[in-house]
Amino acid sequence: DSGVTQTPKHLITATGQRVTLRCSPRSGDLSVYWYQQSLDQGLQFLIQYYNGEERAKGNILERFSAQQFPDLHSELNLSSLELGDSALYFCASSPEVYRSNEQFFGPGTRLTVL
Amino acid sequence: AQSVTQPDIHITVSEGASLELRCNYSYGATPYLFWYVQSPGQGLQLLLKYFSGDTLVQGIKGFEAEFKRSQSSFNLRKPSVHWSDAAEYFCAVGPSGDKVIFGPGTSLSVIP
Repeated sequence: DSGVTQTPKHLITATGQRVTLRCSPRSGDLSVYWYQQSLDQGLQFLIQYYNGEERAKGNILERFSAQQFPDLHSELNLSSLELGDSALYFCASSPEVYRSNEQFFGPGTRLTVL
Repeated sequence: AQSVTQPDIHITVSEGASLELRCNYSYGATPYLFWYVQSPGQGLQLLLKYFSGDTLVQGIKGFEAEFKRSQSSFNLRKPSVHWSDAAEYFCAVGPSGDKVIFGPGTSLSVIP
């Protein structure tokens, strides 16, 4: 158990819909990262927050957004969903802002868009 | 641009046999290197990391990796594989700007 929790574990929705994925980092970790894992794209970095502020952006679509709240939990919002958004979405956390440090991954949310 | 390649998409080994998973990277400076493992239905777990110093790094679960600057490689090894080692293995390099770049992964199957 990494100490990172993600909810829900599974999510099934329809095209055009909007969903919110939630992540609670390890106690004391200030950085939260979001990744998308799919069979054709592999593990893709989406975005990072550090202590409530956006720190870095990766391959995140404009239809996707995220935020980190004062209690450090984070949410990833996916809107206007398309079939291709079906994937595993991982959250990871680390104590430091620089990604040279170990990241602790949550169990993931499996999103299925029908 | 920085990149990570894992030449082997899938490897099958017999239980008790030795294992080596290959990782090559392209990076302009001294990299930070990681190996993560993902068991079925699980998130990624760090096996080991290299930042500096001794180029042979010991990790958890009996894994080790060797950083070879001249070959731009960071291969993962284990002398005797257990059935529970069947998983997906990811090599990663950072920092790249503000990112850690993950390789495409190598899927390991273990034959009893």
